[in-house]
Amino acid sequence: DVKVTQSSRYLVKRTGEKVFLECVQDMDHENMFWYRQDPGLGLRLIYFSYDVKMKEKGDIPEGYSVSREKKERFSLILESASTNQTSMYLCASRGTAASEQYFGPGTRLTVT
Amino acid sequence: ILNVEQSPQSLHVQEGDSTNFTCSFPSSNFYALHWYRWETAKSPEALFVMTLNGDEKKKGRISATLNTKEGYSYLYIKGSQPEDSATYLCAFRYNNNDMRFGAGTRLTVKP
Repeated sequence: DVKVTQSSRYLVKRTGEKVFLECVQDMDHENMFWYRQDPGLGLRLIYFSYDVKMKEKGDIPEGYSVSREKKERFSLILESASTNQTSMYLCASRGTAASEQYFGPGTRLTVT
Repeated sequence: ILNVEQSPQSLHVQEGDSTNFTCSFPSSNFYALHWYRWETAKSPEALFVMTLNGDEKKKGRISATLNTKEGYSYLYIKGSQPEDSATYLCAFRYNNNDMRFGAGTRLTVKP
């Protein structure tokens, strides 16, 4: 059974804190993605990675960075959290070009 | 700008009703169209990946059609059940890596 896990389901942080969101997949997938989902908007791509140590900006990378040191792990970093980064964050992974994309359960982050 | 529109935004139906919703996407640079079901507190679950114009896919009581020339896909649910309550997302894929999601249709099925 395929699995994408995220380190926390719920997280509350203060403005200005550095925040790490971790994602791990056990499917040996090359591609990994970070999205955020806000009410009334679709899932918006923050960053993706198609290989270890490789990263590409998505549609809304500002205020975020990522790290992919191992194939199975993709981390999203908020260098200095702000209230407008309060959101649901979803990680996903995908194998070959035509394959399906699998999602983690999401992390609901609140920045106060 | 690539717009993926889903309608309606939300839908309330009675158990046993059949229903359908729409995903509209650009009719150029088509690679694939994905449908997901996202239940509260769970991961989005893949329903269908559609790649060819005229594709029709079926999974139990749920089916989907695809028209790439006019840029739309329909998702149908026959005989809705309360467990079908979820947000249904479509995603337009326009190359190997890039995927654009719609905002989703939130379906509530009342017993």
